[in-house]
Amino acid sequence: KQEVTQIPAALSVPEGENLVLNCSFTDSAIYNLQWFRQDPGKGLTSLLLIQSSQREQTSGRLNASLDKSSGRSTLYIAASQPGDSATYLCAVYPDTGNQFYFGTGTSLTVIP
Amino acid sequence: EAQVTQNPRYLITVTGKKLTVTCSQNMNHEYMSWYRQDPGLGLRQIYYSMNVEVTDKGDVPEGYKVSRKEKRNFPLILESPSPNQTSLYFCASSFLGATEAFFGQGTRLTVV
Repeated sequence: KQEVTQIPAALSVPEGENLVLNCSFTDSAIYNLQWFRQDPGKGLTSLLLIQSSQREQTSGRLNASLDKSSGRSTLYIAASQPGDSATYLCAVYPDTGNQFYFGTGTSLTVIP
Repeated sequence: EAQVTQNPRYLITVTGKKLTVTCSQNMNHEYMSWYRQDPGLGLRQIYYSMNVEVTDKGDVPEGYKVSRKEKRNFPLILESPSPNQTSLYFCASSFLGATEAFFGQGTRLTVV
């Protein structure tokens, strides 16, 4: 069974800093990987989806990379803002499966 | 507006009293699923549905039932709730299982 780990569990940075969130998974046979943002009381919002054949995806200040062979993905946030404060979740969809497997998330606080 | 709507948002109930959490999506998605989120365990899938009248168990199905009689609705039924089902529940939908997932705002359930 796929296991997804996110380190660190919590991160606090000053506004304006560039930062990297890490995600690792145990089985490299994945179909795709998705990064989500979770805000209290607002559910999860999909940020980026990377297909297994891709190396990275970009959306605005966000860039997600995927190294399938090593079982790793990173989410890079440029010029962080207080509005980026949230929990970021990584989820992988296996080649042979019917669901996403989620990490436990990184709680990010951006200090003004 | 594309959305997944869950109701109720908050629910406190007593052990053994049957309850239903509703989920509806307006995006004509084929795939719908239910997750529960617990501290330290992340999101775990309860049930999923690939299409109308097609449902299957996820990783933690015990104590839950679902039905998919219409494409847009996917209710979660707890026939006899127990305290260990106290959790934050999310409904999600996507065009296919591995595509971008849209989540509802969550239902916080407390069973006493």
